[in-house]
Amino acid sequence: NAGVMQNPRHLVRRRGQEARLRCSPMKGHSHVYWYRQLPEEGLKFMVYLQKENIIDESGMPKERFSAEFPKEGPSILRIQQVVRGDSAAYFCASSPPGQGFGYTFGSGTRLTVV
Amino acid sequence: AQRVTQPEKLLSVFKGAPVELKCNYSYSGSPELFWYVQYSRQRLQLLLRHISRESIKGFTADLNKGETSFHLKKPFAQEEDSAMYYCAPQGGSEKLVFGKGTKLTVNP
Repeated sequence: NAGVMQNPRHLVRRRGQEARLRCSPMKGHSHVYWYRQLPEEGLKFMVYLQKENIIDESGMPKERFSAEFPKEGPSILRIQQVVRGDSAAYFCASSPPGQGFGYTFGSGTRLTVV
Repeated sequence: AQRVTQPEKLLSVFKGAPVELKCNYSYSGSPELFWYVQYSRQRLQLLLRHISRESIKGFTADLNKGETSFHLKKPFAQEEDSAMYYCAPQGGSEKLVFGKGTKLTVNP
C-alpha cells in the first residue's frame, strides 16, 4: 500500500499564476482532507471531500481556492492567481469513513510564490 | 466552537527525564482524541488514539473529561522523541482540528 501520495513535493509559482496540488488517497480510503501549514503555526483545516462531493469547506478562503475529488483520479487543490501569502505547506490526508480511525497523511506540497 | 489548545509552543527536557505535553480541548459532545507526531522532514504520523487505549513508543495519554484534557506523557524521554507533537480532537463532522503543536527537544 503506497500510502497517501502528494505531488509535486515542491512547487514554485510566480504571483498571478495557478497552482495545482494533487493527492491520491490510500487504497480503500474514501475521505480526503486538505490542510495548510504556515510557518510557526499549526495545521489549519481547509476542506473535506468524499468522491464527487465537498462535505465541509469551512476552512477554504472564499476566493481563488477550490478543491475537487472526482470519481476517477486524485483529489486536486487549485489556487488561482497565487499571491505571496499563499506560500505554505499543503498537506493532504485520507481516512476510511467513520470516527476513531485517524488520518494517514501525505508528505505535503511546499508551495513557494515568488 | 471547536477549539484545541496546546499551551507550550516549545518544551525542552533532558534524556531520561519524564515529559508531559499538554492538550486542552473545547468541544460539544464527546470527541475522539488523537496525538500526531511529525519528525524532522517527515510526514505527520498517528502516534496514538484514545479509542484504542494503546501505548506507542512508550507514550500514553489520559483523557480527563472533567478538565477536558488529553495530555501526552512518557516517563523517560529519548533523544529520538524530539519532534513536533499535535493534539487533535475529532468531532461528529469527522474532520480533525489540530492544535498549534508543541516542539519537543530532548537533550543528551
